[in-house]
Amino acid sequence: EPEVTQTPSHQVTQMGQEVILRCVPISNHLYFYWYRQILGQKVEFLVSFYNNEISEKSEIFDDQFSVERPDGSNFTLKIRSTKLEDSAMYFCASLGQLNQPQHFGDGTRLSIL
Amino acid sequence: AQTVTQSQPEMSVQEAETVTLSCTYDTSESDYYLFWYKQPPSRQMILVIRQEAYKQQNATENRFSVNFQKAAKSFSLKISDSQLGDAAMYFCAYRSLETSGSRLTFGEGTQLTVNP
Repeated sequence: EPEVTQTPSHQVTQMGQEVILRCVPISNHLYFYWYRQILGQKVEFLVSFYNNEISEKSEIFDDQFSVERPDGSNFTLKIRSTKLEDSAMYFCASLGQLNQPQHFGDGTRLSIL
Repeated sequence: AQTVTQSQPEMSVQEAETVTLSCTYDTSESDYYLFWYKQPPSRQMILVIRQEAYKQQNATENRFSVNFQKAAKSFSLKISDSQLGDAAMYFCAYRSLETSGSRLTFGEGTQLTVNP
């Protein structure tokens, strides 16, 4: 069964640095998402992406964050000037059709020191 | 905005027994999806079951079934014949079909322990 692939599985970064989290969605999917889960808390929506542009974003997704689909396969989340509170698990998800469930990747654990 | 509430932070069940996890949600919409996701210690997000709001019949997937009460805005998950591998965090989630966005809104989660 096709999978959503996320790299790296664990990223450790110094506070203030920039990080790029990478995702390869399922190949024929059209809708892409990033979610965040701070340890011990619920999963929170960050942003959705469709037709090469952001379709929806949450209040969490401020100017510190950006997303990009640089080629036909990758979907990236960039976090600039990382803060301690950015430490979390970041999940990428993709969706083929709106009547189907989202498929999640295994997540990237981001640790800010 | 839609909200999802899981009022049971923790539940436990004996192996082979049945357990029900509760979920309520708040929405003014009539067309939406509801999901249960399982998150084991590895922290993967695994889809367990989904329900379309327009369907009156409750969804079933093997040992997992839901009790969907649209008027009450309730969506509980029943796990029958519980197995040790069912131990995980379970999240209830809502997705609108009426707005342009297709984001998932999650509840706080219920940590399920299965006792041998």
